[in-house]
Amino acid sequence: QVQLQESGPGLLKPSQTLSLTCTVSGGSISSGVYYWSWIRQHPGKGLEWIGDIYYRGSTFYNPSLKTRVSISMDTSKSQFYLRLSSVTAADTAVYYCSKGAGSSGFDYWGQGTLVTVSS
Amino acid sequence: SYELTQPPSVSVSPGQTASITCSGDKLGDKSTCWYQQKPGQSPVLVIYQDTKRPSGIPERFSGSNSGSTVTLTISGTQAMDEADYYCQAWDSSAVVFGGGTKLTVL
Repeated sequence: QVQLQESGPGLLKPSQTLSLTCTVSGGSISSGVYYWSWIRQHPGKGLEWIGDIYYRGSTFYNPSLKTRVSISMDTSKSQFYLRLSSVTAADTAVYYCSKGAGSSGFDYWGQGTLVTVSS
Repeated sequence: SYELTQPPSVSVSPGQTASITCSGDKLGDKSTCWYQQKPGQSPVLVIYQDTKRPSGIPERFSGSNSGSTVTLTISGTQAMDEADYYCQAWDSSAVVFGGGTKLTVL
């Protein structure tokens, strides 16, 4: 059973960089079959895809966030990461990490972590 | 950018059938998924590749894909099915979610 756990600061000031870590257990992050994703949810709103990273390092980002976002991974630690620069209050959201399985969708999700941007 | 449109809310009586639609341009040509999200919880995949159910998802959940609309159907709806439901598809390499539908079981 794959498990994902997000971690990182819960409070940021405007213009800072959001950095989150997702730790994966119960499965190999190195599998070429899967991809690893970040998805966020603004308070009371719907789901917004941020981006994906594949084992070989390929990344895909939401065009609306592409200039500010970076996703990376460290297979030795079974972790992948999200960096979102120049945050504003509009980046306040619950951030989820998730495992993607091709057209089979996002089959495992972390519990989510709330990140608040406030001065 | 590609958009998926869902009704904001759907109501159903216990034991009846609930249908939640999701529409998008040429959506029938894409593979779609559905997620259930209860308050304070992470989303759960309930349908993938239009019609398939992951292990552990009750048989009352089913999906269909026709033309530009996909539909999540919950047969014999139970109180525990009250939740937000999101459709999801891929447009090129980008993931797109619908705006979500709040299912109320009255």
